Amino acid sequence: EADIYQTPRYLVIGTGKKITLECSQTMGHDKMYWYQQDPGMELHLIHYSYGVNSTEKGDLSSESTVSRIRTEHFPLTLESARPSHTSQYLCASSDSLGDTQYFGPGTRLTVL
Amino acid sequence: QQQVKQSPQSLIVQKGGISIINCAYENTAFDYFPWYQQFPGKGPALLIAIRPDVSEKKEGRFTISFNKSAKQFSLHIMDSQPGDSATYFCAAYNQAGTALIFGKGTTLSVSS
Repeated sequence: EADIYQTPRYLVIGTGKKITLECSQTMGHDKMYWYQQDPGMELHLIHYSYGVNSTEKGDLSSESTVSRIRTEHFPLTLESARPSHTSQYLCASSDSLGDTQYFGPGTRLTVL
Repeated sequence: QQQVKQSPQSLIVQKGGISIINCAYENTAFDYFPWYQQFPGKGPALLIAIRPDVSEKKEGRFTISFNKSAKQFSLHIMDSQPGDSATYFCAAYNQAGTALIFGKGTTLSVSS
């Protein structure tokens, strides 16, 4: 069982609020990822990191930002949430090979 | 540009039947092809994976068939059970890439 954690699991907030979604892994993986997914739909890569102080934007444009100050921690921040940000956010990690990704349980975000 | 095309989008199978999900890829540099299984409210989890040096890999009731010349691979679920009802994603990867490239997913319902 992969040890990757996401908090909160569910979040309902009002428009304009700043939020941070937490993601931590205990496997010592170098690579970490954030995906956005509407329920049962395809996964869209929005951010990735190959190591500490390394962050890149993914294929899907996102207004969120990420940071990677510690290997095990990869938080995602939305400075001003909008209803269009309502979605499920999945965090994943992989070792340096990158072929097998382990996913967290996700955060279901609802912006009113 | 969809680099991994997955079909069908949804599938209904009787209990005990065979479920077949197909994927096709374009980039011949891909060298790792995993399948992920996702239950509602959970993150995707690795189910089975194959590398292009073999044409088939079987793990229990799950089999991947791989056709390198056709650039296609498929997941077969034998003796499908209601507990197999989930969304299945195929993916492809090469080490020069950013991350796994996912198909759009197939929602499988196994009726009892």
